Amino acid sequence: GIQVEQSPPDLILQEGANSTLRCNFSDSVNNLQWFHQNPWGQLINLFYIPSGTKQNGRLSATTVATERYSLLYISSSQTTDSGVYFCAVSSISNFGNEKLTFGTGTRLTIIP
Amino acid sequence: GAVVSQHPSWVICKSGTSVKIECRSLDFQATTMFWYRQFPKQSLMLMATSNEGSKATYEQGVEKDKFLINHASLTLSTLTVTSAHPEDSSFYICSAHRLTGDNYEQYFGPGTRLTVT
Repeated sequence: GIQVEQSPPDLILQEGANSTLRCNFSDSVNNLQWFHQNPWGQLINLFYIPSGTKQNGRLSATTVATERYSLLYISSSQTTDSGVYFCAVSSISNFGNEKLTFGTGTRLTIIP
Repeated sequence: GAVVSQHPSWVICKSGTSVKIECRSLDFQATTMFWYRQFPKQSLMLMATSNEGSKATYEQGVEKDKFLINHASLTLSTLTVTSAHPEDSSFYICSAHRLTGDNYEQYFGPGTRLTVT
């Protein structure tokens, strides 16, 4: 099956710093989503981004589908940005359903 | 919009008993829902795809007789962990497919933390 690797696995930053999270995937995908999992376990949709660049406030994402990677940028980090960031790629399962395969995650800790 | 709820948010049960977890799409209809499992400090692993009005499709290695899935309506899917054992203790998360523009996106419930003693 498709492999999804994220880097770095852990990141500790001072409040106000910027960061770049990377997601590499091993095969062509139908779409790609970025999620933030907060400390209580809730997954929050950040971006649906199969290709191109999108921005939402302090966050932006870029996917280069031909090179099989996506980047998530976080600027001016706040303590509420702490948590785990996952990318997930969509492909068609053996049953014909579209399924998400999650990456390994990046655990971000923002220190006040 | 696109709110998914789960109930209960946490449950503790004795070994050998069964536990039912509900997943509801509150403000949209979902013909397809998904069930994931997450161990501490690990990623989410897809367990099964739940299709309204038909049988669920299970990922390789997931016992369908142990993890019973029912998707009886367009807003409700249930996961029943039968004869639970301590190794079934985990964080179970559901999601629902929603058409957003031209694309299907998945929206996730808050998760259910199961502890089997």
